[in-house]
Amino acid sequence: GAGVSQSPSNKVTEKGKDVELRCDPISGHTALYWYRQSLGQGLEFLIYFQGNSAPDKSGLPSDRFSAERTGGSVSTLTIQRTQQEDSAVYLCASSLLAGGHGTQYFGPGTRLLVL
Amino acid sequence: QKEVEQDPGPLSVPEGAIVSLNCTYSNSAFQYFMWYRQYSRKGPELLMYTYSSGNKEDGRFTAQVDKSSKYISLFIRDSQPSDSATYLCAIRDNYGQNFVFGPGTRLSVLP
Repeated sequence: GAGVSQSPSNKVTEKGKDVELRCDPISGHTALYWYRQSLGQGLEFLIYFQGNSAPDKSGLPSDRFSAERTGGSVSTLTIQRTQQEDSAVYLCASSLLAGGHGTQYFGPGTRLLVL
Repeated sequence: QKEVEQDPGPLSVPEGAIVSLNCTYSNSAFQYFMWYRQYSRKGPELLMYTYSSGNKEDGRFTAQVDKSSKYISLFIRDSQPSDSATYLCAIRDNYGQNFVFGPGTRLSVLP
């Protein structure tokens, strides 16, 4: 079956532009996570969606970052007025179960470069 | 102090060697311990998952947890060139929905 997919694979943008990153989770997975991975850094948690509950936005680094999950499936991460420090790989993961026993399945990531 | 510390490497070993990868953590509340493998330009994939102190074995891989020392390890026996990847440890507690990842150790197994 299909895994987690993300688009675009790569995105190059100019400083100050807005970008949208898309995540298609595995069908039926109720939990969806966004992470950011910078060179030499671990995965930095950004935001977590679980079913119809209010998302956990505690990891978003600034108000330029926002995310939506429509219909409990596809999610979009939006970065407004991009800065060079936003350059990173943005990873999405989905999980059938919330909590410690829910294995997270990761997508291939979107590589964002802000010039 | 970071919540999870991991030697970033890179670590190069000859094929067939035993590899030891390690992480230390600071929060004694952490209860779940995972190892992920990440190939270049791919997302991480779960290798091992443990809950308690002790060893867990899966084929050539053994995960070890020492909660008293706040130290976790992943051992790879008879390492293969296909094991060349970045290995990330991840931990979480009983309450959070999120995982704290280490920065990853880049491993190269040379044929």
